Amino acid sequence: DAGVIQSPRHEVTEMGQEVTLRCKPISGHDYLFWYRQTMMRGLELLIYFNNNVPIDDSGMPEDRFSAKMPNASFSTLKIQPSEPRDSAVYFCASSSERLWRELFFGEGSRLTVL
Amino acid sequence: GDSVTQMEGPVTLSEEAFLTINCTYTATGYPSLFWYVQYPGEGLQLLLKATKADDKGSNKGFEATYRKETTSFHLEKGSVQVSDSAVYFCALILTGGGNKLTFGTGTQLKVEL
Repeated sequence: DAGVIQSPRHEVTEMGQEVTLRCKPISGHDYLFWYRQTMMRGLELLIYFNNNVPIDDSGMPEDRFSAKMPNASFSTLKIQPSEPRDSAVYFCASSSERLWRELFFGEGSRLTVL
Repeated sequence: GDSVTQMEGPVTLSEEAFLTINCTYTATGYPSLFWYVQYPGEGLQLLLKATKADDKGSNKGFEATYRKETTSFHLEKGSVQVSDSAVYFCALILTGGGNKLTFGTGTQLKVEL
């Protein structure tokens, strides 16, 4: 079975540009999470969805960040405009209540904002 | 609020040495506890879990016991290998807390020949 698929794996952009990260969760999973990982702050939960509905977005750092889940098989995380401090690895993860909350992570999208 | 505290890394060991990575937690309810592992360049993956006090989770030679009296979930392995080099994250979920995991800061393990 395919795992969580993220794209792009690497993104280098200039400050002020719009960045869109994409995630395809595992089929049948009803929870989707977006995490950010940096050396300074570790692993931070940005937002999570249940059945495509945002449940908790308290970790979204500011209005420049937005996330959507238009259907059960696709989610995006958008940063507009991007800033150098947004440079990080962004992980998408999915899970299912039936699988006792084990999170399955994608390989991450490494974002560098110059 | 709920939190997880892990020992600072990096932890550097020789192959076949005994490993302990300490993890303690603070929670308002009765959490389930997890250890996740992140190999270089990859996402996190579940290593083991325990859902109630005195449960022992185990996988790939790693073990951790849920100790309610000391609010701890220390990770142990009797004989580490070079291939165990990774970052290890302790995490918790509260019962009734949806699927929102609270992670520790991670502990890097380096195993040398």
